[in-house]
Amino acid sequence: DAGITQSPRHKVTETGTPVTLRCHQTENHRYMYWYRQDPGHGLRLIHYSYGVKDTDKGEVSDGYSVSRSKTEDFLLTLESATSSQTSVYFCAISDGGRLQPQHFGDGTRLSIL
Amino acid sequence: QQQVKQSPQSLIVQKGGISIINCAYENTAFDYFPWYQQFPGKGPALLIAIRPDVSEKKEGRFTISFNKSAKQFSLHIMDSQPGDSATYFCALKGVGDYKLSFGAGTTVTVRA
Repeated sequence: DAGITQSPRHKVTETGTPVTLRCHQTENHRYMYWYRQDPGHGLRLIHYSYGVKDTDKGEVSDGYSVSRSKTEDFLLTLESATSSQTSVYFCAISDGGRLQPQHFGDGTRLSIL
Repeated sequence: QQQVKQSPQSLIVQKGGISIINCAYENTAFDYFPWYQQFPGKGPALLIAIRPDVSEKKEGRFTISFNKSAKQFSLHIMDSQPGDSATYFCALKGVGDYKLSFGAGTTVTVRA
């Protein structure tokens, strides 16, 4: 399995609080991604990174920010969590090769009350 | 806006039967079509993938069929086993892109 660690694995918090999720990789892959998974929607891309300090928005980026100060770490921040952001969040990595397969972590289940 | 439509949402198949999942897309500028398998509590894992210059790819009991003119691709699970019970996602990658767009997923249940 690709060396991807997501933390925390579970979190319950209240509306309006800031939340940061961490993705750590040991593969030295260039590309890192944050997705959210909701029933009926599959996996939707929130933000992605193509290098240290290089990030871009995905299709559902509103309310989220990201940072990547080191190759191995990609942080996802909810500045002021809302109940609509209750979801399972997955981090993925890719080496950017020709077919660029993405490898996923085991997710963070986030509940916002 | 999802670029790929996946069907059915769920299916139940008897052990030894064939599971078929379909995906359709509209834009033609895609160059990679992977399928992911996800078990409860785990992240999706790459199962099999195909490029648009190939019409079929088989790996064990899993086969992807690709119809470029119809803009459709499908996953066939032959001789389905209870261990195949999982959620399956199709995805596609735009030419020159670094992102995947995923279908909504199909939950497959294999009855023993």
